[in-house]
Amino acid sequence: DAGITQSPRYKITETGRQVTLMCHQTWSHSYMFWYRQDLGHGLRLIYYSAAADITDKGEVPDGYVVSRSKTENFPLTLESATRSQTSVYFCASREGAKLEKLFFGSGTQLSVL
Amino acid sequence: AQRVTQPEKLLSVFKGAPVELKCNYSYSGSPELFWYVQYSRQRLQLLLRHISRESIKGFTADLNKGETSFHLKKPFAQEEDSAMYYCALARPSGGSYIPTFGRGTSLIVHP
Repeated sequence: DAGITQSPRYKITETGRQVTLMCHQTWSHSYMFWYRQDLGHGLRLIYYSAAADITDKGEVPDGYVVSRSKTENFPLTLESATRSQTSVYFCASREGAKLEKLFFGSGTQLSVL
Repeated sequence: AQRVTQPEKLLSVFKGAPVELKCNYSYSGSPELFWYVQYSRQRLQLLLRHISRESIKGFTADLNKGETSFHLKKPFAQEEDSAMYYCALARPSGGSYIPTFGRGTSLIVHP
């Protein structure tokens, strides 16, 4: 599972700042996902990507931007961070389009002050 | 719209007691369901999936279409089962399946 890494592990920022969370996987999995984990809400899908240059919105995409120029990287950018975006962010990858299991990163704990 | 409901935020049992973590879903099609687990200081990982009808670490889950449920069960809980458990529904979207998770249930197994 070390094949998917997230950075940074912890991040503190201020409202209005731009923040980018990184996700890198070494398996060449086609699918990648970003989830946020909040108490009372569980895991909510922000964005996902089926392949390089193909991205799609999830349940809670507002305030976030993603890109996928290379298969192995799927960065998540908060263009102007808000306090409501304080959360733990998980990146995940999946080999194919169907019902294969997700492989999760260790998460990034983001605090927006 | 598809939805996954885990009604219990917290489930507390004693070692050796039976455990049932509830998961109900709302979906008009044929559901594909999973259970993921997050142990303390570890990554989220797949516990089991409906499609393969596995039994992992003594846990089982049966799909009940009539009750729209996919409850996770274990006859005798162990302390190492203490973790956060997430039920997930994979919905088809444009030729692929996109997982939607419930809010999770924290299981605490007391010695």
